[in-house]
Amino acid sequence: ETGVTQTPRHLVMGMTNKKSLKCEQHLGHNAMYWYKQSAKKPLELMFVYNFKEQTENNSVPSRFSPECPNSSHLFLHLHTLQPEDSALYLCASSQEAALSTVGTQYFGPGTRLTVL
Amino acid sequence: GDSVTQMEGPVTLSEEAFLTINCTYTATGYPSLFWYVQYPGEGLQLLLKATKADDKGSNKGFEATYRKETTSFHLEKGSVQVSDSAVYFCALTTNTGNQFYFGTGTSLTVIP
Repeated sequence: ETGVTQTPRHLVMGMTNKKSLKCEQHLGHNAMYWYKQSAKKPLELMFVYNFKEQTENNSVPSRFSPECPNSSHLFLHLHTLQPEDSALYLCASSQEAALSTVGTQYFGPGTRLTVL
Repeated sequence: GDSVTQMEGPVTLSEEAFLTINCTYTATGYPSLFWYVQYPGEGLQLLLKATKADDKGSNKGFEATYRKETTSFHLEKGSVQVSDSAVYFCALTTNTGNQFYFGTGTSLTVIP
């Protein structure tokens, strides 16, 4: 399998549930990202990992907890979410997190999350 | 702060029509500029990019020129096809950090 994969593709959860989103990249990249895509809003960068170290956390609520066990895998652990957290969550990877020098991110297909 | 503003959609065109999707940016430093495309049910894919002023990015018949004087990076295609129906995102990154800034996306529908 090539590129960036995400599972599950769709997830419906209640506000008291705990779930995890998974992202895997097969590109040999060293940086991985979580984005939130809501309707009529710009993509929101949530977290950046570079060589397994978190380098960015854009004021994301603690009910979202990322985990990067190695450069190929990225998780987003979810607990006690709110209905306004319903969105498409996109994972991306790039060669490294110095985007100005590389400049290209490869995106997965996303997980469509619905919080009831 | 750095940001990208792109024209609101949705845009509906007939096949073979000319396409322009406007994008303007605000950035400190010297940004690199990108257009990404998102087909239904898929993630974003890089369509084209330009890394310095006056560069022209091109791919699949789409073009965009990095205009520093007007801080713009408008996407154009001379003759759209039904298969071009997608959401198009303008984005930038600067040489000061590791942030990507995306526009809100413009939905394009091409009808036969």
